[in-house]
Amino acid sequence: SQTIHQWPATLVQPVGSPLSLECTVEGTSNPNLYWYRQAAGRGLQLLFYSVGIGQISSEVPQNLSASRPQDRQFILSSKKLLLSDSGFYLCAWSARGLYEQYFGPGTRLTVT
Amino acid sequence: GDSVTQMEGPVTLSEEAFLTINCTYTATGYPSLFWYVQYPGEGLQLLLKATKADDKGSNKGFEATYRKETTSFHLEKGSVQVSDSAVYFCALSDTNTGNQFYFGTGTSLTVIP
Repeated sequence: SQTIHQWPATLVQPVGSPLSLECTVEGTSNPNLYWYRQAAGRGLQLLFYSVGIGQISSEVPQNLSASRPQDRQFILSSKKLLLSDSGFYLCAWSARGLYEQYFGPGTRLTVT
Repeated sequence: GDSVTQMEGPVTLSEEAFLTINCTYTATGYPSLFWYVQYPGEGLQLLLKATKADDKGSNKGFEATYRKETTSFHLEKGSVQVSDSAVYFCALSDTNTGNQFYFGTGTSLTVIP
């Protein structure tokens, strides 16, 4: 069966520090991968999605970036965090030809 | 463009009450429709889905019917439990936009004993 992992689970970082969040998927090949942010108001904002290695589409211009160095690895990064980057970050995957997405457990980021 | 609208919360019900959370959608193609549930501090879990008109998705006592004529996908459960307390998201994926998802804003449900 397929599983999706995210780490770290929680993170507290000062303003201006760098960020790296990692997501990996097991048990599937060539998944579509997604990064979402969920702010305190509960809504989900799509940040990035990827249909293959090195292929990244950005939905929202901001100081975050994403990379996909391997087929089942998706990384969310920032060079300098802002207070507004605080939130709950969710990674998700979907299989080719299927429309449902499956979510990881999330990373709670607090920028202080 | 595509969008999902779901009822504002929060919703508070007594245990064993009937639940309805309304969801309507706008889509340019042939969407698949989903309900996700998020328990506190966790990621979203797929609760049920329907891929074409008149399909009924069901899981764990919850059900929703894909109504193309009213562009709706309302979530229902006949008898809620305290353990159903969570945030519920309606979502769609449209054939015209590949695998991009459109989520509603979420509806918080609290079930009291």
